[in-house]
Amino acid sequence: DQQVKQNSPSLSVQEGRISILNCDYTNSMFDYFLWYKKYPAEGPTFLISISSIKDKNEDGRFTVFLNKSAKHLSLHIVPSQPGDSAVYFCAASYTGANSKLTFGKGITLSVRP
Amino acid sequence: EAGVTQFPSHSVIEKGQTVTLRCDPISGHDNLYWYRRVMGKEIKFLLHFVKESKQDESGMPNNRFLAERTGGTYSTLKVQPAELEDSGVYFCASSRLSQGDNEQFFGPGTRLTVL
Repeated sequence: DQQVKQNSPSLSVQEGRISILNCDYTNSMFDYFLWYKKYPAEGPTFLISISSIKDKNEDGRFTVFLNKSAKHLSLHIVPSQPGDSAVYFCAASYTGANSKLTFGKGITLSVRP
Repeated sequence: EAGVTQFPSHSVIEKGQTVTLRCDPISGHDNLYWYRRVMGKEIKFLLHFVKESKQDESGMPNNRFLAERTGGTYSTLKVQPAELEDSGVYFCASSRLSQGDNEQFFGPGTRLTVL
């Protein structure tokens, strides 16, 4: 029973364009969401997060949007760069309890030069 | 500040053997987590230490897995005896105790192959 779903296994975009990575969750108790980026043979690296009290959080080229009613979040990367090519994991957790992260399967993003 | 380190980076063992994985968290991080990713699937939670205490071990697959964190510093994860389905990448993560964000810092992982 997967509580965090990343239904598209891969995405390919042109350099300079926008990349939109989607994530859905089923557990309404989740109140903190994170995106991690992973290169081959490395561990996941934290990218950006959002609390359920917000609907948007920006950090440079990365913006995460949260739609609580739809249980959906998305990561926007603008403009996309070849170095952004990696696997992106969406994760969800509960705040205040230092709790575990529940991950999706990941999306492989390829940015074409 | 040094990141999370894991040893070994790779381990290839035969079914029935024992393997011990080690994780050194970031200094000062009381939270330590173990996760596992089986080929092509999601990263799954195994267990969570707060200092030396097991806070949540709901993700441990069975009693062939034993995790320890003596003294609240580094942690070990022992698999005994190993089975074929134990193959995967084992990640360790750490974080500070927090009432707000839950950003966890991951190590590079140990790739375990059971033949």
